Amino acid sequence: DAGVIQSPRHEVTEMGQEVTLRCKPISGHNSLFWYRQTMMRGLELLIYFNNNVPIDDSGMPEDRFSAKMPNASFSTLKIQPSEPRDSAVYFCASRPRGPSNQPQHFGDGTRLSIL
Amino acid sequence: AQSVTQLDSQVPVFEEAPVELRCNYSSSVSVYLFWYVQYPNQGLQLLLKYLSGSTLVKGINGFEAEFNKSQTSFHLRKPSVHISDTAEYFCAVSDMGGNEKLTFGTGTRLTIIP
Repeated sequence: DAGVIQSPRHEVTEMGQEVTLRCKPISGHNSLFWYRQTMMRGLELLIYFNNNVPIDDSGMPEDRFSAKMPNASFSTLKIQPSEPRDSAVYFCASRPRGPSNQPQHFGDGTRLSIL
Repeated sequence: AQSVTQLDSQVPVFEEAPVELRCNYSSSVSVYLFWYVQYPNQGLQLLLKYLSGSTLVKGINGFEAEFNKSQTSFHLRKPSVHISDTAEYFCAVSDMGGNEKLTFGTGTRLTIIP
């Protein structure tokens, strides 16, 4: 079975540029999560969707960050304009419908470097 | 609200020796408990989970964890580690009330010494 697919795996860009990270959740999963991982702050939840609707975006750092889920099989996380402090590994995860004991399944992440 | 504490940020262990990675949690409601493993340059994978019933839970790769309600702990153990167990391990909780968010600990980096 295909897992959660993220693209690109690596992104290097200059400060001020727009960055778009993409995620395809596991088919049939109805919840999707975006995380950011850094050495300093560990693993942080940025936003999550349920049935394509944003449920909690309290972890989004500032207005430069935005996320969309136009359909059940695709989500994007956009940073505009990007800054060096946005450098991190960004993970997408999905989970199936059901009680909260259903585990989240993670993609392999996008390693983002802002120069 | 919940919180998860992993006191050991790094644990070095000789190959074939036993290991215990500690996890304590705090919550005002009942929770489900999870251990995830992250190998270098990969995402997190589920090792095991505790939902209810027997307090000793067995997972993949020979790992097991024991839920202790009175001590609010969920320590991860393996009787004999292998080089391939080198990874970062995360403890996480979610509340039984239906909130889908996972609260993660800060992780423990397990290094196996040959």
